[in-house]
Amino acid sequence: QSVLTQPPSASGTPGQGVTISCSGSPSNIGSKIVTWYQQVPGTAPKLLIHSNGQRPSGVPDRFSASKSGTSASLAISGLQSEDEADYHCAAWDDSLNGWVFGGGTKLTVL
Amino acid sequence: QVQLVQSGAEVKKPGASVKVSCKASGYIFFNYGISWVRQAPGQGLEWMGWTSAYNHNATYAQDFQHRVTMTTDTSTRTVYLELRSLRSDDTAVYYCARRITSPAEDWFDPWGQGTLVTVSS
Repeated sequence: QSVLTQPPSASGTPGQGVTISCSGSPSNIGSKIVTWYQQVPGTAPKLLIHSNGQRPSGVPDRFSASKSGTSASLAISGLQSEDEADYHCAAWDDSLNGWVFGGGTKLTVL
Repeated sequence: QVQLVQSGAEVKKPGASVKVSCKASGYIFFNYGISWVRQAPGQGLEWMGWTSAYNHNATYAQDFQHRVTMTTDTSTRTVYLELRSLRSDDTAVYYCARRITSPAEDWFDPWGQGTLVTVSS
């Protein structure tokens, strides 16, 4: 049972937009910055977004992130087939004194 | 380029120990810590702890405190994860990841390729 809650799946057609949610509590998302990772099946996770919306080199600006209270969201616009992957949210938790993750959301591009 | 290369897959019996290595290259080793994160089959990611390459101090997640040790060999730029008293539910892919620290937050980048540890009698 993951500390952060994500929907297990999401889907969209090419060109569409999709949003993936991540719900937490005051001790994690409510007071800390949320980081997002992308994981293509069978490979290691890759940093997608950090520091309230910063994208590493090579990550397209179709990916953006936001946060409100104890919930965070990852938005993907103009879906492409290469976006098909699992997406994980993460944050530091002051109560647990460690990083916590969501269970991951599997994105399918129909 | 920055790279973390992990050791190969392991098969262990319940009650045994496993030691996974993570060799770093392409950056100033002492400037960053290494975190360990595992992923059970079909499950999400689970943080296990991290160790500083600078002073070798380690911080462990509460769930693993009593049976995990993270060590560093600076001469070979290699970090090790040892997990003891293995159970079947420790079957997972174990990842190392470089910890990047900023004034406001930390994040993990890059990640190693992962090491599958299978615990089975």
